[in-house]
Amino acid sequence: DIQMTQTPSSKPASLGERVTISCRASQGINNYLNWYQQKPDGTIKPLIYYTSNLQSGVPSRFSGRGSGTDYSLTISSLEPEDFAMYYCQQYDSSPTFGAGTKLELK
Amino acid sequence: EVQLQESGPGLVKPSQSLSLTCSVTGYSITSNYWGWIRKFPGNKMEWMGYISYSGSTSYNPSLRSRISITRDTSRNQFFLQLNSLTTEDTATYYCTRYYYDGYYPHYFDYWGQGVMVTVSS
Repeated sequence: DIQMTQTPSSKPASLGERVTISCRASQGINNYLNWYQQKPDGTIKPLIYYTSNLQSGVPSRFSGRGSGTDYSLTISSLEPEDFAMYYCQQYDSSPTFGAGTKLELK
Repeated sequence: EVQLQESGPGLVKPSQSLSLTCSVTGYSITSNYWGWIRKFPGNKMEWMGYISYSGSTSYNPSLRSRISITRDTSRNQFFLQLNSLTTEDTATYYCTRYYYDGYYPHYFDYWGQGVMVTVSS
């Protein structure tokens, strides 16, 4: 199994703040990295696929980058609806997820 | 619009089997790939497996001896069976659709709302 180390586990942040969440894979994953958002009501949706591709309908304040083993999700300016859980997921091999990051209002 | 809805028991006894149904509307399960993912208390997420448009399956190696994913194309439903349950299988179970570009299933683009399953005597 490829292990995904996601940091931070929680992040207090303010409206309008720029935040970055990181994921490090235990081995290279060839950019096969996706990001998801889970809202407090349990709804899960994809944000970014294949490292940097924005899912249709997702605001442009979300962006992804990375290569090799290191990947990141950036939200350029936090909006109220962005306070949620975020997960990275690799699919270079049998899919595995990061442990999640809870974005909280400071 | 593609919609997925899980259904099944909320409480199962240890050593018993879990059977869940995912009902899909707005898209045929004879296209794409369809998967099951679970989220444990404490937020860890685990991919369980998928069934493809052709009926082929792939499972998480950690579950391979206990899991089966099947489908009923006439009802546009697919199913999860997980055997020999323990309390560690307590989780919220989600059914998903993969985004498939014709070459490779890439990511989970549609998710059900999830069904919480508790394993307890």
